[in-house]
Amino acid sequence: QSALTQPASVSGSPGQSITISCTGTSSDVGSYTFVSWYQQHPGKAPKLMTYEDTKRPSGVSNRFSGSKSGHTASLTISGLQAEDEADYYCCSYAGSSSWVFGGGTKLTVL
Amino acid sequence: QLQLQESGPGLVKASETLSLTCTVSGGSISTSDYYWVWIRQPPGKGLAWIGSFYYSGTTYYTPSLQSRVTVSVNKSNNQFSLILRSVTAADTAVYYCATGVQRFMAFDYWGPGTLVTVSS
Repeated sequence: QSALTQPASVSGSPGQSITISCTGTSSDVGSYTFVSWYQQHPGKAPKLMTYEDTKRPSGVSNRFSGSKSGHTASLTISGLQAEDEADYYCCSYAGSSSWVFGGGTKLTVL
Repeated sequence: QLQLQESGPGLVKASETLSLTCTVSGGSISTSDYYWVWIRQPPGKGLAWIGSFYYSGTTYYTPSLQSRVTVSVNKSNNQFSLILRSVTAADTAVYYCATGVQRFMAFDYWGPGTLVTVSS
């Protein structure tokens, strides 16, 4: 199991939109509709932001949206706010009751 | 709403065994709806799934740790545990317990995490 590929960092100004990509393979992202995204602030536990590629848990802002095409999933954050500054991780089910995470992306709000 | 809390030693000597417990509140661990997992994060690095326990009693582990790890459940105490044997400095990490609804294949609830340092 190799980690999913994410950019190390992205940045945007308040009010703008940004997209974080997550590239996997035919063994994980490309085979299942089970990509999830997590937000992690420093020193805190991760928080589920989207699941099943595109769904959003109750209580998560609709500024966060997930999508997927082929082996690449994406998280888009619209209307950037200062509190969105955090690390973001994608995660994919990889079959046989296993999961693989991405390396993480640091989002900076300028 | 489920709440999870990790507990265990924060310092383990190299070659010894790391043992952590996750206490679940706000719901029963004896449910077929959820799986119970351990995830770790080395300092400054990303997240990594370690292993999972299902209501059926079945466990699954990441291949790189399979020979050293055991995840088990104590239903009477509403807890599940992680055992990692023969630790090295590379096992130094924040260890999280987490859970999620099986049909969604995600991790809805997380403990706050506990830092375990392996010393030489």
